[in-house]
Amino acid sequence: QQQVKQSPQSLIVQKGGISIINCAYENTAFDYFPWYQQFPGKGPALLIAIRPDVSEKKEGRFTISFNKSAKQFSLHIMDSQPGDSATYFCAASYGKLTFGQGTILTVHP
Amino acid sequence: GAVVSQHPSRVICKSGTSVKIECRSLDFQATTMFWYRQFPKKSLMLMATSNEGSKATYEQGVEKDKFLINHASLTLSTLTVTSAHPEDSSFYICSAREGTRTKEFFGPGTRLTVL
Repeated sequence: QQQVKQSPQSLIVQKGGISIINCAYENTAFDYFPWYQQFPGKGPALLIAIRPDVSEKKEGRFTISFNKSAKQFSLHIMDSQPGDSATYFCAASYGKLTFGQGTILTVHP
Repeated sequence: GAVVSQHPSRVICKSGTSVKIECRSLDFQATTMFWYRQFPKKSLMLMATSNEGSKATYEQGVEKDKFLINHASLTLSTLTVTSAHPEDSSFYICSAREGTRTKEFFGPGTRLTVL
């Protein structure tokens, strides 16, 4: 019940395209859903987060869509850039974070 | 944003020795700190949660006598890997949270290599 499933495992996008990463969870007690970006050899950095009472949140090129009934949420990266190439993790929290498996995003110039 | 530092960033040690990793919150008081372990190309796995002045709470399967955690102040937590072995080689990452806030800020990580 603590698992967070993330897909796809890897994603290749052309510069300027939209990157979409999906996550699903089981535990309805989760009340906070952040997305993290991690570069090789570095710690994760918080990108954007949402609470279950909101269906969408946008910050710059990053948007989270949240579907409470389906227990799914997704990250959309608009106008993807080569500098966005990194590993992205979704997470869900009820006091402590449970991470998805990660998505390696590659944005080709 | 809030800054969390870790020291050292990289450590190589011989099998059987103990290694201490420090995690500091630089510009806020971290009432709760977390320690994670990450294997290459894998996700972060929570090892333990520590609250200032209290004993750490370890996740299932994590040996508390092997991974000693101390959270003696609101800005410092330490992880000591005791009698390290090659299988303990990993990327260790700490994170910190202020008060009842939900946002969790991560340190840059420590690469431990046990020979």
